[in-house]
Amino acid sequence: DAKTTQPPSMDCAEGRAANLPCNHSTISGNEYVYWYRQIHSQGPQYIIHGLKNNETNEMASLIITEDRKSSTLILPHATLRDTAVYYCIVSALTSGTYKYIFGTGTRLKVLA
Amino acid sequence: EPEVTQTPSHQVTQMGQEVILRCVPISNHLYFYWYRQILGQKVEFLVSFYNNEISEKSEIFDDQFSVERPDGSNFTLKIRSTKLEDSAMYFCASSDSAINQPQHFGDGTRLSIL
Repeated sequence: DAKTTQPPSMDCAEGRAANLPCNHSTISGNEYVYWYRQIHSQGPQYIIHGLKNNETNEMASLIITEDRKSSTLILPHATLRDTAVYYCIVSALTSGTYKYIFGTGTRLKVLA
Repeated sequence: EPEVTQTPSHQVTQMGQEVILRCVPISNHLYFYWYRQILGQKVEFLVSFYNNEISEKSEIFDDQFSVERPDGSNFTLKIRSTKLEDSAMYFCASSDSAINQPQHFGDGTRLSIL
């Protein structure tokens, strides 16, 4: 089972910030938080990842709480093309693999 | 930007036949993965591959499935004696050797078993 919990759906107005929460209360000390999105049936697209510090790249920002039990993905200015299913995944190297266990994600709909 | 490529994009096969799904991972990556997604369901881990051997496999990855890296660039998933329930999107992913670097996914092969 996935180690993360996300709301099933969210709406966001175009041009506004989209804040997608994720709960990972059982995260282990060596597990990173990864965010991906999937548009239609395309392959999951990597967005951002982090361990405990907040991270920012050209796509998004990742805010991880101090206790690391939850995180928020921020899309600063959502566009219609950001409509997708967003997955929050926690993973670490175990047995020589970094396998991902996907949950059901959050279906984000950006509204014009 | 380098990307993972998968071929074919769509494969239609008769039940009972064998199929080979092909992937070209990003060139300097050393960890390779296969996932599948049945229509309307979650993305599921199948197998990971490192240093020319399987690192981990899920319960789904039974004797019907096998993986191979036949040369320095390709990574294949073979499904023998296909069943109707094997119909799904199959995604290949790769990551480099640095600790906890993200996996990069291809756009998948849609496998339809008739």
